[in-house]
Amino acid sequence: AQSVTQLGSHVSVSEGALVLLRCNYSSSVPPYLFWYVQYPNQGLQLLLKYTTGATLVKGINGFEAEFKKSETSFHLTKPSAHMSDAAEYFCVPRFYFGTGTSLTVIP
Amino acid sequence: DAGVTQSPTHLIKTRGQQVTLRCSPKSGHDTVSWYQQALGQGPQFIFQYYEEEERQRGNFPDRFSGHQFPNYSSELNVNALLLGDSALYLCASSWIGAGNTEAFFGQGTRLTVV
Repeated sequence: AQSVTQLGSHVSVSEGALVLLRCNYSSSVPPYLFWYVQYPNQGLQLLLKYTTGATLVKGINGFEAEFKKSETSFHLTKPSAHMSDAAEYFCVPRFYFGTGTSLTVIP
Repeated sequence: DAGVTQSPTHLIKTRGQQVTLRCSPKSGHDTVSWYQQALGQGPQFIFQYYEEEERQRGNFPDRFSGHQFPNYSSELNVNALLLGDSALYLCASSWIGAGNTEAFFGQGTRLTVV
């Protein structure tokens, strides 16, 4: 099974600041990679995905992620945090979810 | 489009009992995956069904079994329930024609074992 590491189970940023959520995966072959978001008391929603092609992937709500094979990383970023971004974020290589990062946005 | 629907939404069972959870995939999807999400944890992959067969399986005991029907809907069965089986069970559907590259999740079934 592929494993994934999300550094930082809790991340706090100020409103308007850069959001950076880290994800490193372990695999011998380039996987499909996804970021999912889970808002409080809501279901999981796909933010963005990398399959093949362009390594910089843009998703919904202004998020993007860059697939870096040499670093086995797929970090999620957003230039300016909004209060509505507060949620749990999961990095997912194929079927296996990371432990998640809880994002808090401070007004 | 109703999306992925799961039933029931909540369930309380006694230790040792058996439970069946149900999932209807999003229209046009043919692959169903099941996950267990314990409180404060990320979803853990249980297994995936395609063409009525289990195609992938995570690290779960044989007490967890499933089935997929010709209409692509699916059931998750858990036998000999343990207190530790209390969790949110999520179903996700996808389309193998797109390489299963986007999974849509249902709202889940909250199982409590007492």
